[in-house]
Amino acid sequence: NAGVTQTPKFRVLKTGQSMTLLCAQDMNHEYMYWYRQDPGMGLRLIHYSVGEGTTAKGEVPDGYNVSRLKKQNFLLGLESAAPSQTSVYFCASTDGGDNSPLHFGNGTRLTVT
Amino acid sequence: LAKTTQPISMDSYEGQEVNITCSHNNIATNDYITWYQQFPSQGPRFIIQGYKTKVTNEVASLFIPADRKSSTLSLPRVSLSDTAVYYCLVGDSWTGFQKLVFGTGTRLLVSP
Repeated sequence: NAGVTQTPKFRVLKTGQSMTLLCAQDMNHEYMYWYRQDPGMGLRLIHYSVGEGTTAKGEVPDGYNVSRLKKQNFLLGLESAAPSQTSVYFCASTDGGDNSPLHFGNGTRLTVT
Repeated sequence: LAKTTQPISMDSYEGQEVNITCSHNNIATNDYITWYQQFPSQGPRFIIQGYKTKVTNEVASLFIPADRKSSTLSLPRVSLSDTAVYYCLVGDSWTGFQKLVFGTGTRLLVSP
């Protein structure tokens, strides 16, 4: 039981390049989330999904797109990377029932030069 | 949306008890209080959750007064491995986890 797995763990992009971050969970959770964490700051919600085929904007969605084609996977895309998107990205999931907690992956460290 | 306030940092020594208090003055009736722990280069990890009074598990205790406007995470006999950032969150799953706000947390440093 791997929990929440994020790939890749590290990536360096040049300004204007695109990439996709993958989040996979094996707990059959309905809800999935993408956060970003900048140095010395808390996590900020980018996008989230309350079920397969659904997505919604969080607090800081600009510059990102997401897709949830399969229940176990939540993809985060950067179409044209900018230096301001240098951050650590965390994915989380939960089944949403009875205030069950969020389960986080170990993050993807992205640097945009 | 309940906002929380925590100390930015705390220092302690091995073997001491550490209490981290979180203020949440506008907590709603259906809101639960949840604490997460984050080590460097890792995602946050659930520690404990409660609604009122006291909750205890193998890792920590959570004290919640009757008015629920604050809560205290208690870590008994901390060790060096408890050095981490601790986040207090307030919310409930029925209104959506997307409304949970991670603040800057409390950075706990445990020294020998």
